[in-house]
Amino acid sequence: EDKVVQSPLSLVVHEGDTVTLNCSYEVTNFRSLLWYKQEKKAPTFLFMLTSSGIEKKSGRLSSILDKKELFSILNITATQTGDSAIYLCAGDTGFQKLVFGTGTRLLVSP
Amino acid sequence: DTAVSQTPKYLVTQMGNDKSIKCEQNLGHDTMYWYKQDSKKFLKIMFSYNNKELIINETVPNRFSPKSPDKAHLNLHINSLELGDSAVYFCASSQLGQANGNTIYFGEGSWLTVV
Repeated sequence: EDKVVQSPLSLVVHEGDTVTLNCSYEVTNFRSLLWYKQEKKAPTFLFMLTSSGIEKKSGRLSSILDKKELFSILNITATQTGDSAIYLCAGDTGFQKLVFGTGTRLLVSP
Repeated sequence: DTAVSQTPKYLVTQMGNDKSIKCEQNLGHDTMYWYKQDSKKFLKIMFSYNNKELIINETVPNRFSPKSPDKAHLNLHINSLELGDSAVYFCASSQLGQANGNTIYFGEGSWLTVV
């Protein structure tokens, strides 16, 4: 059965800290790994990773995929209170289906 | 303009009732989905439709019946609602056949509470 596991489940940091969120996956017919940020409503797309070792960056966020070890990390540097959210990782099975992890709940305190 | 819009946003109803949630996307995508997010925030696919055809049905009880009148709309009808149906239901869409996989765009969710 396809499975995506995220760690930690929750995390509290101070503004300015750097955080690393982890995602491991076991997904048949794996095509890509996606990261989403969910605040109060809809998950919003952050990154799609398809190749190992190529870092994707967007401002203070970056992510990388290791297809040999079947994991991905999401880094957030110089965290701000607006980064507080649930971060979801999902594996694309290639069958029009994303398998999500349970998410990491990040709280950035002032 | 909201890319994926769903209505209603909030719904409180009694056990045994039948209710529908509507979804529309204006992204020109060919595939639409329903996802369910439970109280623990676990997001799981229920259905997907590609060009109005059912592609995925993830062992969802047959009280749940999706309907896609055209590729821009995917509605979800739920019969005989149960307490365990309380959740947030997210509609989503994507365009298959993209070179680099399947980026799904989500609606804002419909909060269903069954009492």
